[in-house]
Amino acid sequence: RKEVEQDPGPFNVPEGATVAFNCTYSNSASQSFFWYRQDCRKEPKLLMSVYSSGNEDGRFTAQLNRASQYISLLIRDSKLSDSATYLCVLNRDDKIIFGKGTRLHILP
Amino acid sequence: GAVVSQHPSRVICKSGTSVKIECRSLDFQATTMFWYRQFPKQSLMLMATSNEGSKATYEQGVEKDKFLINHASLTLSTLTVTSAHPEDSSFYICSARDWEGEEYNEQFFGPGTRLTVL
Repeated sequence: RKEVEQDPGPFNVPEGATVAFNCTYSNSASQSFFWYRQDCRKEPKLLMSVYSSGNEDGRFTAQLNRASQYISLLIRDSKLSDSATYLCVLNRDDKIIFGKGTRLHILP
Repeated sequence: GAVVSQHPSRVICKSGTSVKIECRSLDFQATTMFWYRQFPKQSLMLMATSNEGSKATYEQGVEKDKFLINHASLTLSTLTVTSAHPEDSSFYICSARDWEGEEYNEQFFGPGTRLTVL
């Protein structure tokens, strides 16, 4: 079983809609969690950190559920520029471990 | 945010040659740098952790004699792919960790180097 599992998608979503991604992780020793965004053929960029108390940044909301070992990302009022691959990332023992990513296409 | 550069951004080489990729932290000192590899439609896979002034720590399955890492200064780490073969063709990304004053030590990624081995 992979340490970080994500639905690869693609998610094809009309502009303005709300979309949610989930990610599960297998190692309960994981310490920190993040969502990164990666555009095609580019390096990943940090989107936001994820906390058990929830974290909101504009149209983006992230949530961590340690008991169930999953994290989520919610994007409201999606824009065309949100089209990208969203990587679920965790930090365990000082190593950054990436999920395979979920591809999102926002349709005009 | 902090800036990490990589050079070259793209390289095409013949099978059997060696290729050196540089990773630089431009506005901060990075005691630790990381090297990742990403094959098409795959996630980033950590290859090795590079610590300034000491030997790199390689992940399981990564040949240290093939992927030579040198982290001679706090702002520069190099990855040399020795005797490259077509299966080494990939997107190589480095990242550097800025340790100053952050509880979580955010990693900043370089723009990546696309290696194609003919």
